[in-house]
Amino acid sequence: YVLTQPPSVSVAPGQTARITCGGNDIGSKRVHWYQQRPGQAPVLVVYEDDDRPSGIPERFSGSNFGNTATLTVSGVEAGDEADFYCQVWDTDTVHGPVFGSGTRVSVL
Amino acid sequence: QITLKESGPTLVKPTQTLTLTCTLSGFSINSGGEGVAWIRQPPEKALEWVSLIYGDGTVRHSPSLLSKVTVTKDTAKNQVVLTVTHVDPGDTGTYYCGRLGNSWVGSWGQGILVTVSS
Repeated sequence: YVLTQPPSVSVAPGQTARITCGGNDIGSKRVHWYQQRPGQAPVLVVYEDDDRPSGIPERFSGSNFGNTATLTVSGVEAGDEADFYCQVWDTDTVHGPVFGSGTRVSVL
Repeated sequence: QITLKESGPTLVKPTQTLTLTCTLSGFSINSGGEGVAWIRQPPEKALEWVSLIYGDGTVRHSPSLLSKVTVTKDTAKNQVVLTVTHVDPGDTGTYYCGRLGNSWVGSWGQGILVTVSS
C-alpha cells in the first residue's frame, strides 16, 4: 500500500498549512500523523484520522475521505517547522505500519 | 511515564550482524495487548517500518527485510531485541523503537544512529 505526500509545503506564520496524504481508498483506513522536528524522534500528533493525543494543541486537526487524508495546522508558528508523516496499517499484505514519503513544512 | 530507549553499536562493518536493544519503562512487553515496533530512517529519508512483536509472541517483518531481520523479547528484562544480519551500507540510518497503539506508534524512543562502513 503506497502513501503519497507532497515533498514540501511553505506557509507564513499565522496562516494555515494543509498536508495531504494520498492512497487508494484511504478513507476506508484509519490515518495517523507524526511530526518530526530536525534531529528529533517523531511525535504522534493525530491518530485515527482526527483525534489528538494528550498535550497536542487544537491547532492540529485531521480529516480523511475518499483517496486523500489531510493534516491541517492552523495558526502556524515557527516551532511547527518540521517533517510530517502520515501512516496507516496495512492489513492486506505486510500486516504492519506503512508510512508516507513525508512532507517538509517550512515557515516563511 | 512511558519511555523506550534504544542501545547498541553505532558502527558496524558490512556483512556483520547488528543487534539493537529497546529497553521499556512504564509498560510491560509481557502483556498480551502490548506491542513494540522497530522503525528505521536512512539519512535524509523517510521512515521505514522494520519489524514488530506483540506480548503474545506474534511477530511481523517488513517483506523487504524478511530474510535478514529477527525480533525477540526478553520479558525478564522488559526488552525487545532486533537483529539484522549481513548488514550493508543500505542499512545505515537511525533506528527507533516505539510502543504500538491500536494501529499507531504512540511513544517513540530517542533513536540510535547506526552506520555501516568498513
